[in-house]
Amino acid sequence: DVKVTQSSRYLVKRTGEKVFLECVQDMDHENMFWYRQDPGLGLRLIYFSYDVKMKEKGDIPEGYSVSREKKERFSLILESASTNQTSMYLCASGSRQALITDTQYFGPGTRLTVL
Amino acid sequence: LAKTTQPISMDSYEGQEVNITCSHNNIATNDYITWYQQFPSQGPRFIIQGYKTKVTNEVASLFIPADRKSSTLSLPRVSLSDTAVYYCLVVGSSNTGKLIFGQGTTLQVKP
Repeated sequence: DVKVTQSSRYLVKRTGEKVFLECVQDMDHENMFWYRQDPGLGLRLIYFSYDVKMKEKGDIPEGYSVSREKKERFSLILESASTNQTSMYLCASGSRQALITDTQYFGPGTRLTVL
Repeated sequence: LAKTTQPISMDSYEGQEVNITCSHNNIATNDYITWYQQFPSQGPRFIIQGYKTKVTNEVASLFIPADRKSSTLSLPRVSLSDTAVYYCLVVGSSNTGKLIFGQGTTLQVKP
């Protein structure tokens, strides 16, 4: 089974702090994604990566950056956390050679609260 | 990417068959229809994908008419544990691997 793990299930940070959310997948997938999920807004794509050291902006990249130094790890960075970044953050991975088109495997999520 | 429209919520009772319909009028020739399921406090998980006619797996069936402008996810004999949000997505032709999640359909299964 594909496993996508996220470093924390729950995180509480203060406004202005630098926050790192880590995601690791064990299936050698090329593609990795970061989403945030908010009530009434569904899942929104923040950033994604097709390969090591590559990154592409999603629909809502403002206030975030990412890092992909190794194929299995994709980090989301909040440079200076703000209260409007309180949300559920979901990481996903997928393979370009997937038998099922564009299938993504999601981690359990990190619920981040910024005070 | 084709936009999808599905009901916001549905209620059902244990043991019933549930059908959730999704419309995707602008689906492209190379697109597939995919459904994900999300339980509270978990990430979405893939349940089924199809291109045309009918696809069935151990979890659900997916019915796609000839014009492919809509599709129906069928869950046989639901149980309380099927209470979740179900997302209909159209994927493939953009070749980016990106998924566009709409609001999904919140299915509440009652005893």
